[in-house]
Amino acid sequence: AQKITQTQPGMFVQEKEAVTLDCTYDTSDQSYGLFWYKQPSSGEMIFLIYQGSYDEQNATEGRYSLNFQKARKSANLVISASQLGDSAMYFCAMILRLSGGYNKLIFGAGTRLAVHP
Amino acid sequence: DAGVIQSPRHEVTEMGQEVTLRCKPISGHDYLFWYRQTMMRGLELLIYFNNNVPIDDSGMPEDRFSAKMPNASFSTLKIQPSEPRDSAVYFCASSLGGLGSNQPQHFGDGTRLSIL
Repeated sequence: AQKITQTQPGMFVQEKEAVTLDCTYDTSDQSYGLFWYKQPSSGEMIFLIYQGSYDEQNATEGRYSLNFQKARKSANLVISASQLGDSAMYFCAMILRLSGGYNKLIFGAGTRLAVHP
Repeated sequence: DAGVIQSPRHEVTEMGQEVTLRCKPISGHDYLFWYRQTMMRGLELLIYFNNNVPIDDSGMPEDRFSAKMPNASFSTLKIQPSEPRDSAVYFCASSLGGLGSNQPQHFGDGTRLSIL
């Protein structure tokens, strides 16, 4: 079955350190896309980064980078130089491109990150 | 730039009542999505529209749920009659390009719905 798995319900990191949030996915499709979103305590969903299955390079956006290992079906989010404002829930999501131009989007359960001073 | 605007931010009502959630997407975006977020089920896609036309409503839980998009700048999600298990945060999101593109979805602040 196609699914997204985030195995870390909660993570702690010291301010200014780097942290990796895990995301594994299961699909037999060759074409798919992976997103990471951040949800602060205020509730809104904020787009962070995107990786396409055919992208040869790992995606980077400022302090966010995606460690994409296609053979292992993992797309871990790396946050460098953590800041207190990074404390939030983080969701990994996968777009499944199905036949006939029909697509489906599924989200992982999320990882709650707490950044300590 | 205005983002996705949802109203109301909070809704508390008694079971059996009709609930209408509203969404104004970002101007120029051609896709609109409705999601539901609960502790038990996480974030679920309910329905999405392309150019005001519903494309996939397979995520809509029951016939009590309906969604419309009468024009490019407005959509509603209606629950009638509402039940306590419908209590959740409902998000609207819009994007330029659909699920097959690399364009991110921009989310509204959500509507926190409580059915008593």
